[in-house]
Amino acid sequence: GQQVMQIPQYQHVQEGEDFTTYCNSSTTLSNIQWYKQRPGGHPVFLIQLVKSGEVKKQKRLTFQFGEAKKNSSLHITATQTTDVGTYFCAAFTGTASKLTFGTGTRLQVTL
Amino acid sequence: SAVISQKPSRDICQRGTSLTIQCQVDSQVTMMFWYRQQPGQSLTLIATANQGSEATYESGFVIDKFPISRPNLTFSTLTVSNMSPEDSSIYLCSVDHRGNFQETQYFGPGTRLLVL
Repeated sequence: GQQVMQIPQYQHVQEGEDFTTYCNSSTTLSNIQWYKQRPGGHPVFLIQLVKSGEVKKQKRLTFQFGEAKKNSSLHITATQTTDVGTYFCAAFTGTASKLTFGTGTRLQVTL
Repeated sequence: SAVISQKPSRDICQRGTSLTIQCQVDSQVTMMFWYRQQPGQSLTLIATANQGSEATYESGFVIDKFPISRPNLTFSTLTVSNMSPEDSSIYLCSVDHRGNFQETQYFGPGTRLLVL
């Protein structure tokens, strides 16, 4: 079945540093989604990318979809303690809107 | 967006017992999904709950272990049967939402289950 891997598994940064997580798929994706899960919380939708090479920004967050539509990245500029959580990429597989989640990257931000 | 509630929010259960988790949505939705998230892990789809038909289970999950009901377009239940410590996880329901040229999923707050 389709596998979606993320690296790194965990990253610890000082507040103000940048952070990037990478998402790689074994197959070409129709689209990619990103979710954030705060500690003790549930996944919350951040964004969807559809087009090859697409780049979208949300304030300090920049999302990119690879040209071959097999990888994606999330970059956070000048991290804040509110960015703490686990970031998942996810992709629809097959039919019936089934989402396959990536392995996740846990971000820890300290002052 | 959709507002989703789950009951119970957490529970501690003895092995061999069963627990039914409820998921309520504030609007009618076609598809509801049940996920399991083991400690420190990603989300794994258990099944898709369709109103008016049997749930569709993913590889590795069977109806006898995780029976699902979907009596109407706003409600679903997942039962974790004959529990063992390996079933200790967070169980999340989600709903599919389409709009603004994109398809997203909204998640409930989750049910944190510990099996002793």
